[in-house]
Amino acid sequence: GAVVSQHPSWVICKSGTSVKIECRSLDFQATTMFWYRQFPKQSLMLMATSNEGSKATYEQGVEKDKFLINHASLTLSTLTVTSAHPEDSSFYICSARRLAGGGGTDTQYFGPGTRLTVL
Amino acid sequence: DAKTTQPNSMESNEEEPVHLPCNHSTISGTDYIHWYRQLPSQGPEYVIHGLTSNVNNRMASLAIAEDRKSSTLILHRATLRDAAVYYCILRARSGNTPLVFGKGTRLSVIA
Repeated sequence: GAVVSQHPSWVICKSGTSVKIECRSLDFQATTMFWYRQFPKQSLMLMATSNEGSKATYEQGVEKDKFLINHASLTLSTLTVTSAHPEDSSFYICSARRLAGGGGTDTQYFGPGTRLTVL
Repeated sequence: DAKTTQPNSMESNEEEPVHLPCNHSTISGTDYIHWYRQLPSQGPEYVIHGLTSNVNNRMASLAIAEDRKSSTLILHRATLRDAAVYYCILRARSGNTPLVFGKGTRLSVIA
């Protein structure tokens, strides 16, 4: 299957600092990437859709000024958590959309996730 | 995207087949059925997807009911590494719509 990487895999930061998470599609180009967040014992929640070269689309209730998304190339999207607070501690997962060939449907491939802990 | 219903949890013995059910009675004609699984502390992993016909790959088989209102993910021989949360998700074929995750089925495999 296709490979999506995330960096870092975990990060611990102090309250008030900003943290950047990178998501890369390693063996395909992704015009669209997605960012999810997962709290313990819960399912994944979609945060935003990131399209290469344009502004991200945020889900209702997600603060766009707090979670800055940049999708500057076809293989890289970044999520920056600005002025992080303990309630932002979570498991952040990115996903890249691989276009289908031959008339099939697209497939989303996921990164391994980044665990953010804000002290 | 239409909603799916899965059991909260299931248990299987190692090396036995596992049938994970999913109901999707409101599926539309252009919805694909996707299955993903998530191992502990990892991102979701693509398993299989289908539209109308049954599908097989190296990981699993997908059996789709004739009326498409339900489907079953089949793991032919469960191993301890198959213990995960399995998600059944409907997604329209076209557009940029992302996968929307429900609660999934937590599969436990007993040695």
